[in-house]
Parts: sequence; structure tokens; C-alpha cells
Amino acid sequence: EDQVTQSPEALRLQEGESSSLNCSYTVSGLRGLFWYRQDPGKGPEFLFTLYSAGEEKEKERLKATLTKKESFLHITAPKPEDSATYLCAVQVPGNTGKLIFGQGTTLQVKP
Amino acid sequence: KAGVTQTPRYLIKTRGQQVTLSCSPISGHRSVSWYQQTPGQGLQFLFEYFSETQRNKGNFPGRFSGRQFSNSRSEMNVSTLELGDSALYLCASSDGTGGAEKLFFGSGTQLSVL
Repeated sequence: EDQVTQSPEALRLQEGESSSLNCSYTVSGLRGLFWYRQDPGKGPEFLFTLYSAGEEKEKERLKATLTKKESFLHITAPKPEDSATYLCAVQVPGNTGKLIFGQGTTLQVKP
Repeated sequence: KAGVTQTPRYLIKTRGQQVTLSCSPISGHRSVSWYQQTPGQGLQFLFEYFSETQRNKGNFPGRFSGRQFSNSRSEMNVSTLELGDSALYLCASSDGTGGAEKLFFGSGTQLSVL
């Protein structure tokens, strides 16, 4: 069964304290791995798509990496506005429109 | 470009009733997917429509149905509501052309079943 697991469930950081979020996956085939950010009361906001092992993408203080079994979302020198739930999802071949989501990591950054 | 629009934002219904939720995708997007989000189960895929046809379906009972119109707008219907149907229902759109499709989500409809 295709599955996505994220850790930790919750993470508290001080402003400026860098860290990483983990997303491990077991799938029959990978078409793409996605990272989303979700703020309370809103829908997920797209951050990155990764397609193959070794790929990396960056956006401001965020950097996503991908291996054959997991992905990491590195947050460098976070700010309070980075506080949100970060969701990882995978798409497998033959499943249009369907993303398999992990449970998310809720990040709180304190000033 | 306007984003994905979902209406209504909030709904309160009682058990046994039915409900219809609406979604307008990003202009030019032909694929619309629906998801249910709950604290216990997270985000779960309901179904996907492309060019007015259901192209993919998740593991939800037949009480959950949807349709798509020629302008790509979509509706989702839940009949005979149960308490466990209380959730945030999210709609997402994409161009639907295949490959690893980036989905753009709306803000959702928060459904409470009493």
C-alpha cells in the first residue's frame, strides 16, 4: 500500500534556529513528491515538486531534497511567519488528481 | 489570475440531510479534484473530474458524488449526512494534462454535521 509518513508531528523552534522536516514514503512508483504549506483555516499552498532522487529545490528560507525513500524540508533561520503546517504528498502513476498526503508537521517559530 | 474559489465557506447541517458544495477552478484548468480533511485522517482524496468525466475515485461510499460542468466548475454532493462527515472539504485544480500535476487548492468549505 502506498504510504507517506512525516516526522516530527510538531516542532517548536526559536527564530533563527534551523531544522529539518522529514517525509518518508513507500510507493509502487513515484511520479512526483510535493511539499505544501497550510495555514489555519486555509487550503494547502504549493511549495515544491521533486521528481527524482538527488533533486533539490529552494525558495527563500526553504530547501527541499529527495532520495529514493524520503524527502527533507530544510528551514534555514526561520522567522515567526514560517509557522504553519507543512504537508508532504506523493503522486503515483495512473492516479490523476490524486495525491497521497502525510499527516503533516506543525511548525511553530517563536520570536 | 484568480485562484480556486469554493462556496460556501461554512455550512451547518443535521444528520440525514444532503449538501452541495461548489468549486470554481483557476481559469484554463480542466481538472478538479476533491479532498476531505479531518484531524484524524488528514487529507484524503475523494475524486477527480476532467472534461466533465470522473477520471479517478478514492475509497469513499457512494453517498459522496460529484460532477463537472462544461466550464470546468465542479460540485460535490453528500447525501444522507452522518456525524463523521464533518470535515474541511477542499477542491483543487490543475491543467490535467498528465505527469506530476501541481494542484492548486481553494480555502475549503467547513462542513459541520449536528
